[in-house]
Amino acid sequence: EDQVTQSPEALRLQEGESSSLNCSYTVSGLRGLFWYRQDPGKGPEFLFTLYSAGEEKEKERLKATLTKKESFLHITAPKPEDSATYLCAVPFFGNEKLTFGTGTRLTIIP
Amino acid sequence: GAVVSQHPSRVICKSGTSVKIECRSLDFQATTMFWYRQFPKQSLMLMATSNEGSKATYEQGVEKDKFLINHASLTLSTLTVTSAHPEDSSFYICSVGSRGYQETQYFGPGTRLLVL
Repeated sequence: EDQVTQSPEALRLQEGESSSLNCSYTVSGLRGLFWYRQDPGKGPEFLFTLYSAGEEKEKERLKATLTKKESFLHITAPKPEDSATYLCAVPFFGNEKLTFGTGTRLTIIP
Repeated sequence: GAVVSQHPSRVICKSGTSVKIECRSLDFQATTMFWYRQFPKQSLMLMATSNEGSKATYEQGVEKDKFLINHASLTLSTLTVTSAHPEDSSFYICSVGSRGYQETQYFGPGTRLLVL
């Protein structure tokens, strides 16, 4: 069965403390893996799309990587404004619909 | 990426009334838009795929007669919650898919619906 699983569910870090968020997936024929950031009461904001194993993308303090089974969102020296819920999503084979993981709620403590 | 707006941002209504939510693609002609619902501390759940000029495709368990979708133009899709009840209270979010096989979805800011 196709699935997307994110861990941890919640993560609290001190400002400047680097860490990684995980998105594991089981899907036949990956057609892309998407990372979004969602602030409370707002719609998801697009961050990255990864298409093939070994691919990496960076934006400011964030770097996303992809293997054949999982993706990591690395956050380096985070700031309080990086606090948000980070969602990953995968389109399952045969359609354009996205299936979202449950998200990681990240809190950066000043 | 595409810029997507939603209106209204928040709405409070009485039980039994209908509420219409608009989703607009401001800089992109979208043949396909998606409607999601998100309950507190939960992830996004796809409700339906809105296709311009044709009937929407609903996900399993979503009542098509209760959640009416109209995608009359390439820039506008509407979701009408008919005879709303308190259990319909949720955060409704639309998205626009960019063209292509491996398309990215861009989301609107969401509409908070509270049914009293």
